[in-house]
Amino acid sequence: QLQLQESGPGLVKPSETLSLTCTVSGGSISSSSYYWGWIRQPPGKGLEWIGSIYYSGSTYYNPSLKSRVTISVDTSKNQFSLKLSSVTAADTAVYYCARHGTTVTTELGYWGQGTLVTVSS
Amino acid sequence: QSVLTQPPSASGTPGQRVTISCSGSSSNIGSNYVYWYQQLPGTAPKLLIYRNNQRPSGVPDRFSGSKSGTSASLAISGLRSEDEADYYCAAWDDSLSGHVFGTGTKVTVL
Repeated sequence: QLQLQESGPGLVKPSETLSLTCTVSGGSISSSSYYWGWIRQPPGKGLEWIGSIYYSGSTYYNPSLKSRVTISVDTSKNQFSLKLSSVTAADTAVYYCARHGTTVTTELGYWGQGTLVTVSS
Repeated sequence: QSVLTQPPSASGTPGQRVTISCSGSSSNIGSNYVYWYQQLPGTAPKLLIYRNNQRPSGVPDRFSGSKSGTSASLAISGLRSEDEADYYCAAWDDSLSGHVFGTGTKVTVL
């Protein structure tokens, strides 16, 4: 059974860079042709897609976050990562990693449990 | 800011049928598949419907999806207490080259 697990600091200072990693188990990032994505949810609010990556490194980003986001993949560790720079309190949210189907336009069928990141000094 | 519009809330008594609407545009719902996600309190979203009306294995047939033009709907028949959750529609948007989610609908079982 495919499982995804987010990890990273739960507290980040304003203007710094938020860094999270998603570790995939029960399947290989590089052996299957799937896209892997990041989604966030501010407390009490709705879902926002951040971006997605293919195992080869091809990426798609939310235009509203594109200037601050970098998503990368490490097939040797079966992980993919999120970096969000110049964070503010508005970036406080639960961050989820998830797996798409075989194209980036498809559904997010598997989700991690999410990790809360608070931006505060 | 969400591109897909949903009613903020919906409710029904056990056994009733509840319908949630999702309104989009030609660049998202009008030209791509619609997905629905269920988010139980304190948990991660779960895929409920894919490709407009397909249910993943394990999702009860009480849940059904449909799409017409630039709008979509999720119906829950035989409403049960465990259906109390937030429901989100989603689709790929060709103009944004990205996924867009609906504003979310909180379903309450009275």
